[in-house]
Amino acid sequence: QVQMVESGGGVVQPGESLRLSCAASGFNFSTYGMHWVRQAPGKGLEWVAYIRYDGNRKEYADSVKGRFTISRDDSKSTVHLQMTSLTTDETALYYCAKGSKYSSAWYAFDIWGQGTMVTVSS
Amino acid sequence: EIVMTQSPATLSVSPGERATLSCRASQSISNNLAWYQQKPGQAPRLLIYSASSRATGIPDRFSGSGSGTEFTLTISSLQSEDFAVYYCQQYNNWPPLTFGGGTKVEIK
Repeated sequence: QVQMVESGGGVVQPGESLRLSCAASGFNFSTYGMHWVRQAPGKGLEWVAYIRYDGNRKEYADSVKGRFTISRDDSKSTVHLQMTSLTTDETALYYCAKGSKYSSAWYAFDIWGQGTMVTVSS
Repeated sequence: EIVMTQSPATLSVSPGERATLSCRASQSISNNLAWYQQKPGQAPRLLIYSASSRATGIPDRFSGSGSGTEFTLTISSLQSEDFAVYYCQQYNNWPPLTFGGGTKVEIK
């Protein structure tokens, strides 16, 4: 079945780096854009980053631009998020999400992973 | 950046009753709006896309309407499994993709 499994979360100190991964299965990964969305504890959803199906377009939230890098490895159906210079307010559950299959809504998210927790604390 | 505003923040509804949730965009987004449901400890689930189209497997008690800046999610007869937080998201003008702050639907 269609699923996505995130990994790589953990506890880091402010200023440190972390690399998240999301392994997808059950769909033709190489034909879909992929996103990262985060959710701070008890808070709402915040879009973080996007990579187009071919890897040739990447977009970021202003809050992470220049510090986060999204990438994909279609041979492994995996998307990554390299995060540097982390701050305490970036403590959140990080979800990977698949761009939707609906042609009128490529930039909605139709499949989500269960998330990986990132805690930034001194 | 397009700001999405949801109201009310919390909606208290009895099972079997109708729930109406609102989402407003700070500028016109045509019909490029999605709705998601999130239950405690779970990832969000896509309910509605293009403002009014139900995603695969979504019961027909969920319906969406609106265009431009005003949107509504209606749950016609609330079931126990529908008590959750609901988010709207615009994808008309991005980056960034933006979400509303959420409406919690709780049992009255």
